[in-house]
Amino acid sequence: GNSVTQMEGPVTLSEEAFLTINCTYTATGYPSLFWYVQYPGEGLQLLLKATKADDKGSNKGFEATYRKETTSFHLEKGSVQVSDSAVYFCALRPLGGYNKLIFGAGTRLAVHP
Amino acid sequence: DTGVSQDPRHKITKRGQNVTFRCDPISEHNRLYWYRQTLGQGPEFLTYFQNEAQLEKSRLLSDRFSAERPKGSFSTLEIQRTEQGDSAMYLCASSSYRTLNETQYFGPGTRLLVL
Repeated sequence: GNSVTQMEGPVTLSEEAFLTINCTYTATGYPSLFWYVQYPGEGLQLLLKATKADDKGSNKGFEATYRKETTSFHLEKGSVQVSDSAVYFCALRPLGGYNKLIFGAGTRLAVHP
Repeated sequence: DTGVSQDPRHKITKRGQNVTFRCDPISEHNRLYWYRQTLGQGPEFLTYFQNEAQLEKSRLLSDRFSAERPKGSFSTLEIQRTEQGDSAMYLCASSSYRTLNETQYFGPGTRLLVL
C-alpha cells in the first residue's frame, strides 16, 4: 500500500543552522509528493511540491528533490530562522484515484535564537 | 478568495451525543475532502466529494459517521453516538480540478473533545 515515513522529532536547531528532515515513501508508480507546514495555532499550508522524478520543489528557502531511486523527498533549508518553528508533514498523492493525500506523522522543528 | 472555513473551531461533547461540523470550501472548488488528525499524527483521509457526489470513503469512516455536500457547495460531517476515540482534529480541504497538479487547501480544523 501507500505510506510515508518521516524522521521523528522534535528537531531542535539554533538559528542559521542547516535543516534536513528525512521523508521516504512507498507507492505504486509515480505519486506526487508534498511538504505541508503547520505553524502553531494555524491550519496546514502547502510549502512545496514535486510531481515527477528529479523535480525540485522550492519555497521560502526550503527545497526538496523527488528521488525515485531512493523513494525519498527530504526537506532542506540552508539557514533556519526562529519563525520556521512548526510541524512539517510529508505527503504523497497516489497515481490515479481521487487525489486524496497520504501523510507522514509529522516532524516538529524548534529553532532557538 | 477567503480560504476554507470550518465551524465550529472547537467542540466539547459528552459521550453518546451527536455532533455536526461544517466546512465551506473556497468558492468554485468542486473537490472537497475530510481528514482526521489525532495528536502527534498526520492527517488521515476520511472521505472525498466531487461536486455533490461522495466518491470515496475510508474504512475509518464507520457507520456512525456521515458526510454530505448538498448542491456541491458547503459540506457537513456528522458523528452520531460519539465515543472518546472520536476525539481529534477534523480537517476539511478543497481543490479545483481545473488546476493542473491541483493543490489541496486546508481549513483551520474543528477540534473535537469527547468526555
